[in-house]
Amino acid sequence: DIQMTQSPPSLSASIGDRVSITCRASQSVARYLNWYLQKPGQVPKLLIYAASSLQSGVPSRFSGSGSGTDYTLTISSLQPEDFATYYCQQSYSSPYTFGQGTRLEIK
Amino acid sequence: EVQLVQSGGGLVQPGGSLRLSCAASEFTFRSYAMSWVRQAPGKGLEWVSAIRGRGDGASYAESVKGRFTISRDNSKNTLYLQMNSLRGEDTAVYYCAKFGDNGEALDYWGQGTLVTVSS
Repeated sequence: DIQMTQSPPSLSASIGDRVSITCRASQSVARYLNWYLQKPGQVPKLLIYAASSLQSGVPSRFSGSGSGTDYTLTISSLQPEDFATYYCQQSYSSPYTFGQGTRLEIK
Repeated sequence: EVQLVQSGGGLVQPGGSLRLSCAASEFTFRSYAMSWVRQAPGKGLEWVSAIRGRGDGASYAESVKGRFTISRDNSKNTLYLQMNSLRGEDTAVYYCAKFGDNGEALDYWGQGTLVTVSS
């Protein structure tokens, strides 16, 4: 199975900050890498698929990059609604494992 | 708008069985792979199972293999998860989700249903 490791596990930032979350796979996932956001008590929401493609309706302040085993989600200017938990997921091979999550908190 | 409406959760004793359902609408159900994802209380997301549009090609997480069965009825636009030999560690909110046009990511999710395994 492919293991997904996110860093940092948690992050404190301020409105307007630029933040990045990284996800490392235990083997190449060939850009089959997705990012989701989940707010407390809510359903996960797809942000980025195929490493860098923005899901329809997602603000352009979110972007994704990476290849091989290393991927990054960047939020260019944090907004109040962005404080949540972020998960990466590989869809390269089954089981389609998730990272453990990164909790983004307000500083 | 795509809708995925889940039902079937609840309290079950260890060793028991439960079937979850996910009724889909507003998209061509048979054309899309579907998946189940779960989230234990206070924990992260765990992928559970997936199935192709035609109902073949089912895959499972090691933690549920041999105990859970994913299936679908394309005539009823409904996805199922049959859960047998349930354990305490299966306690979680279970989400059904639809794979996107790219077939890579889960673009729509059901509302989630809580399964509690306890005596």
